[in-house]
Amino acid sequence: KAGVTQTPRYLIKTRGQQVTLSCSPISGHRSVSWYQQTPGQGLQFLFEYFSETQRNKGNFPGRFSGRQFSNSRSEMNVSTLELGDSALYLCASSSSPASVNTEAFFGQGTRLTVV
Amino acid sequence: DAKTTQPNSMESNEEEPVHLPCNHSTISGTDYIHWYRQLPSQGPEYVIHGLTSNVNNRMASLAIAEDRKSSTLILHRATLRDAAVYYCILGNTGKLIFGQGTTLQVKP
Repeated sequence: KAGVTQTPRYLIKTRGQQVTLSCSPISGHRSVSWYQQTPGQGLQFLFEYFSETQRNKGNFPGRFSGRQFSNSRSEMNVSTLELGDSALYLCASSSSPASVNTEAFFGQGTRLTVV
Repeated sequence: DAKTTQPNSMESNEEEPVHLPCNHSTISGTDYIHWYRQLPSQGPEYVIHGLTSNVNNRMASLAIAEDRKSSTLILHRATLRDAAVYYCILGNTGKLIFGQGTTLQVKP
């Protein structure tokens, strides 16, 4: 079966702009979570959605937001981009909330560069 | 969220077993122990997880101490493809909190 699909794979944006990233989970998975990876901070949890509800949120400013649709696809949005938002954004899907008794499958990520 | 402590790096020879340790002294009774790894230029990949008993799968084995304050990921025969950053993660709430992990180097 198809894996987790993230689009686009690469993105270049200018400071102050906003960006929307998309994640299509594995068919049948209802949990989607998002992570930011930078060389300095490593992998950091952004938020987790399960059946269209945000269940957990990491320690990121309100400029970072997300949503999940009824087909489990998820989007994350970053408004008023800053240079420090340049990172690899990873999406993970699982059949039930990740870190409970299940495995999470990660996508290849979206590489965002803010100039 | 309970924290884990892992060595920054380890080395292994190809085709030899590798034991990757993880300390988690503040683990709660409901925390699962998860291991993920990240190969260069890829997203993290699930390796194994467990709660109290030792676990085996096609990739690795997970040995959990009786008091659950530590665990060990065992790769039975390391290959060059196993060179990656290995993350030990505790959780039960739906989020995976990644630490710095252990960078495993495998020498031919």
